[in-house]
Amino acid sequence: NAGVMQNPRHLVRRRGQEARLRCSPMKGHSHVYWYRQLPEEGLKFMVYLQKENIIDESGMPKERFSAEFPKEGPSILRIQQVVRGDSAAYFCASSPVNGGNTEAFFGQGTRLTVV
Amino acid sequence: RKEVEQDPGPFNVPEGATVAFNCTYSNSASQSFFWYRQDCRKEPKLLMSVYSSGNEDGRFTAQLNRASQYISLLIRDSKLSDSATYLCVVTLYNQGGKLIFGQGTELSVKP
Repeated sequence: NAGVMQNPRHLVRRRGQEARLRCSPMKGHSHVYWYRQLPEEGLKFMVYLQKENIIDESGMPKERFSAEFPKEGPSILRIQQVVRGDSAAYFCASSPVNGGNTEAFFGQGTRLTVV
Repeated sequence: RKEVEQDPGPFNVPEGATVAFNCTYSNSASQSFFWYRQDCRKEPKLLMSVYSSGNEDGRFTAQLNRASQYISLLIRDSKLSDSATYLCVVTLYNQGGKLIFGQGTELSVKP
């Protein structure tokens, strides 16, 4: 059973371009979380999704950021018109159920660098 | 007030020392509690869940005090390999089990 897979591992974008980050949850997991970690800071919640449904997006910036988790395929975090401040590590985690006492498993992250 | 707050670090301790990390949470609807470990800004990995009765896993002991909304992690006989950032994590019952992370406490174990 492969773990949570994120790609790409490293992504470089010029200011104004779009960044697409992909996350394939563990097999059997139907819930996905996205977190952002800025340099020298902690993990910040961005969005929590179930297949075809956004459960909580309270941590998402109001503009330029969007996330989806379609019925088929990976979850996608999309950042439009990237700026230097978007440079960070973006981690995805998955869990098999909604809440409860179940831990979440993390992918290795995507390091986004905006130049 | 942050939803989950941890001791500011870093903690610098010699090998063999006992070190304790504290964490407080503000939301009484918090449902589940965990300690995660993060090495060199790699992905966080679960260290242990925290149960109401307290639980132990080898050199690690976790305690939960729901009345005080307080969680702790005790590491005995510290090893060099324990050097990492330790993250206190809370899930919220009324928000679908969303994981909320503390800012982390860095531990550095020296020879």
